[in-house]
Amino acid sequence: AQKITQTQPGMFVQEKEAVTLDCTYDTSDPSYGLFWYKQPSSGEMIFLIYQGSYDQQNATEGRYSLNFQKARKSANLVISASQLGDSAMYFCAMRADNQGGKLIFGQGTELSVKP
Amino acid sequence: GAGVSQSPSNKVTEKGKDVELRCDPISGHTALYWYRQSLGQGLEFLIYFQGNSAPDKSGLPSDRFSAERTGGSVSTLTIQRTQQEDSAVYLCASSLYLGGRETQYFGPGTRLLVL
Repeated sequence: AQKITQTQPGMFVQEKEAVTLDCTYDTSDPSYGLFWYKQPSSGEMIFLIYQGSYDQQNATEGRYSLNFQKARKSANLVISASQLGDSAMYFCAMRADNQGGKLIFGQGTELSVKP
Repeated sequence: GAGVSQSPSNKVTEKGKDVELRCDPISGHTALYWYRQSLGQGLEFLIYFQGNSAPDKSGLPSDRFSAERTGGSVSTLTIQRTQQEDSAVYLCASSLYLGGRETQYFGPGTRLLVL
């Protein structure tokens, strides 16, 4: 069975500091993708970054980077230079290529950025 | 371009009534997904459609739930004989195709409250 675990229900970070949101996953499928989404209080789900299981490099998208450690089955999101607008829920998700298109989500981490 | 749209944005119904939730995917996207986000359950997959293939219904919680996608575009999620535990935000997403690196883009959701 596939599972995503986010162990940090809530996190605080000072504006302009970097923050790491943890995500570990479990799957027996050799080919899979990992996603991070941001959900502000407005409720929309915003795609942030993707990492494929066979990607050699860690994914980066602007201030977002993914610390992918395949052997440890972790895919932590790093947000650099935090901004007040980064305050939101963050979800880690996985899609196993042998399981079709469905995403399996973690429980989320609520990030609060302090001025 | 237009994103994924959903209607209604909010729905209040009485227990035992049927409800229909609508999703308009991004034009040209062949894959369409339904998820449910409820307190204590996080985001859970319900069903997805890919082109003309048979949908993956593995996430539907009971036979009171059904969905269809007409003409490869608009989708309707129907909940019959609603129960209070059906109260949740129902999210629709679409992607250009299924699998690979394809990102799922989410709509704003329909907030369903069953009294």
